[in-house]
Amino acid sequence: SAVISQKPSRDICQRGTSLTIQCQVDSQVTMMFWYRQQPGQSLTLIATANQGSEATYESGFVIDKFPISRPNLTFSTLTVSNMSPEDSSIYLCSVVLGQGLPYEQYFGPGTRLTVT
Amino acid sequence: RKEVEQDPGPFNVPEGATVAFNCTYSNSASQSFFWYRQDCRKEPKLLMSVYSSGNEDGRFTAQLNRASQYISLLIRDSKLSDSATYLCVVNSRRGADGLTFGKGTHLIIQP
Repeated sequence: SAVISQKPSRDICQRGTSLTIQCQVDSQVTMMFWYRQQPGQSLTLIATANQGSEATYESGFVIDKFPISRPNLTFSTLTVSNMSPEDSSIYLCSVVLGQGLPYEQYFGPGTRLTVT
Repeated sequence: RKEVEQDPGPFNVPEGATVAFNCTYSNSASQSFFWYRQDCRKEPKLLMSVYSSGNEDGRFTAQLNRASQYISLLIRDSKLSDSATYLCVVNSRRGADGLTFGKGTHLIIQP
């Protein structure tokens, strides 16, 4: 498995501001993803972070709200823009090691965001 | 029908007992299946992938029934440290971006 770190681990932010979350992996990975886990819920995929091209967003998530960067194969950022209390959630990055099925995903420790 | 459905529990089980969870999925074209474990305030951790022939890892056994579209997880000789939420996860697309997570089954092992 890989060592995945996220910064910050938690933050409390005011509505209307933006927060950028970093995800760092200790090895090069092709596939990297960003998820959200709202209180009491399971994980929902926000987007696939593509290296060298724009991220691929899932239905209900847009680039203006969740811009993503992927400058290389070990690093990605997710920005939560113009935050509202509804954005309070845990944000997790994940990676897939290897190239083919079954596409086992490994998660970072998460960033716990509270918007007041 | 939800894409991935699990009994949320909680399952209260005495230490040493055997416990089984089931999970059903709606997309018959799903290709990969997993069980993840999530402890409180922690990230999900891969417990095991589930293969068509079934697979075992120590005290844990996973089974896949494609005809009935369900996945099971059996934990034998349960330990206090097995207390966690167990997430059933299904990959419903061809690529790695297709993971759909169940809401999880909460397991409490009692001494």
